[in-house]
Amino acid sequence: ETGVTQSPTHLIKTRGQQVTLRCSSQSGHNTVSWYQQALGQGPQFIFQYYREEENGRGNFPPRFSGLQFPNYSSELNVNALELDDSALYLCASSSGLLVGGYTFGSGTRLTVV
Amino acid sequence: QQQVKQSPQSLIVQKGGISIINCAYENTAFDYFPWYQQFPGKGPALLIAIRPDVSEKKEGRFTISFNKSAKQFSLHIMDSQPGDSATYFCAASSGGTSYDKVIFGPGTSLSVIP
Repeated sequence: ETGVTQSPTHLIKTRGQQVTLRCSSQSGHNTVSWYQQALGQGPQFIFQYYREEENGRGNFPPRFSGLQFPNYSSELNVNALELDDSALYLCASSSGLLVGGYTFGSGTRLTVV
Repeated sequence: QQQVKQSPQSLIVQKGGISIINCAYENTAFDYFPWYQQFPGKGPALLIAIRPDVSEKKEGRFTISFNKSAKQFSLHIMDSQPGDSATYFCAASSGGTSYDKVIFGPGTSLSVIP
């Protein structure tokens, strides 16, 4: 069973609203990445946090932001939601900057109407 | 921004047969190539991975073949079982960067029929 927990599992929001998605990583996992997976596509890298600092970002606008907390939890915030933001949002954590050593959560399914 | 190409998009294999999924990459800085398996309603799970200094890696029924000069790699699933039915993603990453951004392929939906 995965050690990464995401909440909520499903969410419906209206265009223009703001949303916060949450992730709880395994103890000791100080690296967390967030991915967006549109239906029928591979996950797209949003950004990565290491020891509470953003240290890498994909091709996503600034309205996608995040936070990482000392207790190995993290948040993904999306402002001014657009219809195209509808997707599965995945959190992945690892114990350090180890390539590929990620554990993914089951994701939050966000629907923007 | 698709730096990792993957084919086929979908695959149907008889139980006991061999499933083969092919991937190609463009960025020569990539130095780590994982494969992920994703079941409906779940996040991707690391299946097997390879680095470009080896041409083949086998773990149980799963084998990665890697061709560095062609910038191609493939996953072979031997003795495919219905429980292998899932979406498979090849991916690539460059560990030499300051952060570990994993680039995923578009995925292959595998169905293993009895």
